[in-house]
Amino acid sequence: AQKITQTQPGMFVQEKEAVTLDCTYDTSDQSYGLFWYKQPSSGEMIFLIYQGSYDEQNATEGRYSLNFQKARKSANLVISASQLGDSAMYFCAMREGAAEAAGNKLTFGGGTRVLVKP
Amino acid sequence: GAVVSQHPSRVICKSGTSVKIECRSLDFQATTMFWYRQFPKKSLMLMATSNEGSKATYEQGVEKDKFLINHASLTLSTLTVTSAHPEDSSFYICSARDVAGGPKTQYFGPGTRLLVL
Repeated sequence: AQKITQTQPGMFVQEKEAVTLDCTYDTSDQSYGLFWYKQPSSGEMIFLIYQGSYDEQNATEGRYSLNFQKARKSANLVISASQLGDSAMYFCAMREGAAEAAGNKLTFGGGTRVLVKP
Repeated sequence: GAVVSQHPSRVICKSGTSVKIECRSLDFQATTMFWYRQFPKKSLMLMATSNEGSKATYEQGVEKDKFLINHASLTLSTLTVTSAHPEDSSFYICSARDVAGGPKTQYFGPGTRLLVL
């Protein structure tokens, strides 16, 4: 079974509008972390936001917020006030196990391509 | 913030040659680094976990003799694609964790585009 599922392969969004990117995950670990990364055409992976499994508040980083619904195992990314520069691939990822352990790997979803229209 | 560098950023080689890719953590020590591979319009697939001073851990289906990993110091891991073939052409990205920096500190290098002719 897929550990990270992103059901939206691509989406258009109007500039200045908000967009929600879906991410569901599957794990039996109690301790885990969820990440969102942006990958522009250059290929670099840009960290956007992080949510720990024990965090009670939804994470926010500027225009990015994470809608964490633990019981549903979903961690949707919300981008507010979309900008043309937000056009990119977006990946949801999960790190299972204790956050202090250096060796725990990230597993990625299939990604969602976002195109912001002027 | 912490930075991970990769060298080279782009390489073109002939079939049958070997290519070495370096991954460095510039201002933190990384006992563990990760090597990912990404095909066009696809996601990142973990190839192996590189452990400083010990053998790398390879994911299922990844040939360890094909993709040699060496993690000789706390700031450097290398991936060598041996006897490269056109199907090895891909985007290779390394990642390192700055454990001292907290749980969100999973940094990625800028990637290496490999084209095997």
